[in-house]
Amino acid sequence: QEQLVQSGAEVKKPGASVKVSCEASGNILSNYYIHWVRQAPGQGLEWMGMFNRGFGITANRGHDSTAYAQKFQDRVTMTRDTSTDTVYMELRSLRSDDTGLYYCVRGASLDRPIAAAGTFDFWGQGTLITVSS
Amino acid sequence: QSALTQPRSVSGSPGQSVTISCTGTSIDVGTFNYGSWYQQHPGKAPKLIIFDVSERPSGVPGRFSGSKSGNTASLTISGLQAEDEADYYCCSYAGSYTYVFGTGTKVTVL
Repeated sequence: QEQLVQSGAEVKKPGASVKVSCEASGNILSNYYIHWVRQAPGQGLEWMGMFNRGFGITANRGHDSTAYAQKFQDRVTMTRDTSTDTVYMELRSLRSDDTGLYYCVRGASLDRPIAAAGTFDFWGQGTLITVSS
Repeated sequence: QSALTQPRSVSGSPGQSVTISCTGTSIDVGTFNYGSWYQQHPGKAPKLIIFDVSERPSGVPGRFSGSKSGNTASLTISGLQAEDEADYYCCSYAGSYTYVFGTGTKVTVL
């Protein structure tokens, strides 16, 4: 059974970093794009970045690849723990406006074109990150 | 990577049809035919209701339909029902391995 299980809520001070985990079961990491989407309180959805095992320039399966929204380019890193099929999203230099719900999301199959990868059909439960002094 | 533009809110009576627009540019909505739509009820995670501009995932009612013309994608809800009251977001590929959501639209069933 496919699942995306995220780590629990965290409270951080401005300037700190946070690392959110997303454990993907059911061979999700091997076959799908994984995205991170966030939602500030009462606000809309915001795409942060994407992780997958091979796409785009190299189209080489088995090699970890990432792409980030320009807004987060300097502050975010998405990685994978090979032993546990867990994807991590680390956000640094936190500010109060980083407060929100962070979702790990399954995108399209790796067989689909990259332009279709942003079809988010399976969402984790979300992780609430609160940034406050 | 500016958010795609959606109306802040739309409303309709039960049984009526409503259409939500999603306006982008020639580098996102206008170029790629893989746009998607999401429905989000309060306190819940978003749910995919349209992908590849006009395709419905299994289990999504037929009253939801999608289309695109030029730089604008549209979601139509025909035969509006009370449970359709929710927030709706569009999404498009924006090139360079990035994606962008719309600003979101609140649908109210009168």
